Amino acid sequence: QVQLVESGGGVVQPGRSLRISCLVSGFTFRNYAMHWVRQAPGKGLEWVAIISHDGQNKYYAHSVKGRLTISRDNSQNTVSLEMNSLKAEDTAVYFCARDGGGRHAPYYYGMDVWGHGTTVSVSS
Amino acid sequence: DIQMTQSPSSLSASVGDRVTITCRASQSISTYLHWYQQRPGKAPSLLIYAASNLQSGVPSRFSGTGSGTDFTLTITSVQYEDFATYYCQQTDSTPNTFGQGTRLDIK
Repeated sequence: QVQLVESGGGVVQPGRSLRISCLVSGFTFRNYAMHWVRQAPGKGLEWVAIISHDGQNKYYAHSVKGRLTISRDNSQNTVSLEMNSLKAEDTAVYFCARDGGGRHAPYYYGMDVWGHGTTVSVSS
Repeated sequence: DIQMTQSPSSLSASVGDRVTITCRASQSISTYLHWYQQRPGKAPSLLIYAASNLQSGVPSRFSGTGSGTDFTLTITSVQYEDFATYYCQQTDSTPNTFGQGTRLDIK
């Protein structure tokens, strides 16, 4: 079955770095763009970043640009988020999600498969 | 950036009621608009994609309409499992922004 499993969350001090990952299974990973979405405690959803199916194109939310970097390894079926210079406002549950459009129609079909999320807490 | 505004922010309904949630974009987004449901403590799930297309496995009581800047999500007969928070999201341009959410409670 199609599955996305995030890992790597934890407690980290402000200004430090953390890398979270999402391992996927059950579909041909290299054919799909992937997103990261986060949700601060008690708040709504915030889109963070997207990476194209081949890793060539990456786009970010303004709030994370220059500090968070999305990447993927199509040989390992993983998408990752390297988070640097972390701030308290980065505290959230981070979800990875598949873009349902495949390589030919990204963005049109919404995020059709989601992981369960991994929690990142930035605190001294 | 495109701003997405949902209304209402919350509403109460009884089982069997018809419920409508609206989402307005700050500029035209064609039909690059999707609706998600999120139950407490769970990941979101896709309900409607491209404004009016029902995601596979989603009950037919859910429907979406709209194009351009104004969109609606309708639940024709609310069931217990529908009490959750609903989000719209635009993917016409990056950053792909979400609405602030609409919480649907039991009356």
